[in-house]
Amino acid sequence: QQQVKQSPQSLIVQKGGISIINCAYENTAFDYFPWYQQFPGKGPALLIAIRPDVSEKKEGRFTISFNKSAKQFSLHIMDSQPGDSATYFCAATLSNTGNQFYFGTGTSLTVIP
Amino acid sequence: GAVVSQHPSRVICKSGTSVKIECRSLDFQATTMFWYRQFPKKSLMLMATSNEGSKATYEQGVEKDKFLINHASLTLSTLTVTSAHPEDSSFYICSVDYTDTQYFGPGTRLTVL
Repeated sequence: QQQVKQSPQSLIVQKGGISIINCAYENTAFDYFPWYQQFPGKGPALLIAIRPDVSEKKEGRFTISFNKSAKQFSLHIMDSQPGDSATYFCAATLSNTGNQFYFGTGTSLTVIP
Repeated sequence: GAVVSQHPSRVICKSGTSVKIECRSLDFQATTMFWYRQFPKKSLMLMATSNEGSKATYEQGVEKDKFLINHASLTLSTLTVTSAHPEDSSFYICSVDYTDTQYFGPGTRLTVL
């Protein structure tokens, strides 16, 4: 059973628009939800993360919205730029347990000028 | 965050040979490191969890005799692909566990001819 489901698989957004990527998780015990950004040929880089004690976290143009009752969380990229074109992975984990991360399947974002 | 390096970044080898990939934690001592494999346009597949001073824990379906992992120090873990075959060609990425988050290396592109 896939622990974290991510959608959409791919996304095309106009420059200046809002990019939204959604994830849903199964295990209610998960307590840490990071998002990673990966450019072709590079390793994933931590973008932003949230814990379930808050419903929203914002860092610059990136915002995570978290809905604990629905077991869903999403990444919003405001004012999307061509440089944001990359693959984004959500993840979930139960902290302090050896930290195995359960990753979503990834979303390929293309921001067109 | 943590800084992680991998060496080499790219390697091409002949079928039947062995290849060693190094993963180094540059700015802190990592008790736990992870090894992932990633196919083109696919998500991260956890291969094994590497614990300093003890045997690695392999995920189901990963051949431990083929993918040898050694975590001999708190800053270095190595993955050796033994008797490599073309189907082992992939992008291999390591990560370290630091403050409940995984920080990834830049990845190693392995091509087996």
